[in-house]
Amino acid sequence: EAQVTQNPRYLITVTGKKLTVTCSQNMNHEYMSWYRQDPGLGLRQIYYSMNVEVTDKGDVPEGYKVSRKEKRNFPLILESPSPNQTSLYFCASRSGTDRGSEQYFGPGTRLTVT
Amino acid sequence: EDKVVQSPLSLVVHEGDTVTLNCSYEVTNFRSLLWYKQEKKAPTFLFMLTSSGIEKKSGRLSSILDKKELFSILNITATQTGDSAVYLCATPLSTDSWGKLQFGAGTQVVVTP
Repeated sequence: EAQVTQNPRYLITVTGKKLTVTCSQNMNHEYMSWYRQDPGLGLRQIYYSMNVEVTDKGDVPEGYKVSRKEKRNFPLILESPSPNQTSLYFCASRSGTDRGSEQYFGPGTRLTVT
Repeated sequence: EDKVVQSPLSLVVHEGDTVTLNCSYEVTNFRSLLWYKQEKKAPTFLFMLTSSGIEKKSGRLSSILDKKELFSILNITATQTGDSAVYLCATPLSTDSWGKLQFGAGTQVVVTP
């Protein structure tokens, strides 16, 4: 089954404790991205990657890091989480052939930083 | 500046009613307009529209694009409680080579029994 998976699905952590949210897709997609969703602000892009070892900042990259060492994986790293990073996070991927094509979303990770 | 505006922000209907959701956009070098349904989880893809006047249908849902007036509508006929969700429209930004999606704020639809 074609899918994007994320782990963990729920995470409660404390300020300053490094964490990683994993994202993996099995569709051989070149493009992957991280979004955060907050009430009243909609979905905003954090980082994106156009292929292995190619990443770039989205709208709200501060406080986040990413890596793309393999095509299927795109982890999101919070080196020192803060309460304002409490949010719902989605990973997405799409084929690289058409930038207007459908994006597939993972199930989401709800992060709470206390 | 590229933008996507959805209306209404929310609505409540009775089962069996028909719902029409609006999405207007301003994007240079338009490529496509996407509709997603979001329940209490990830957005799930509904439609991708690229051409004016061609209706896309999936069961009780349908959507059409007007590239001259720069809007799209999503129709849901004979609504059911399972149609309750936030409906999002989005378009890839013109200035972004990746195709970063610019989302509207969404329309919250509540279908009551």
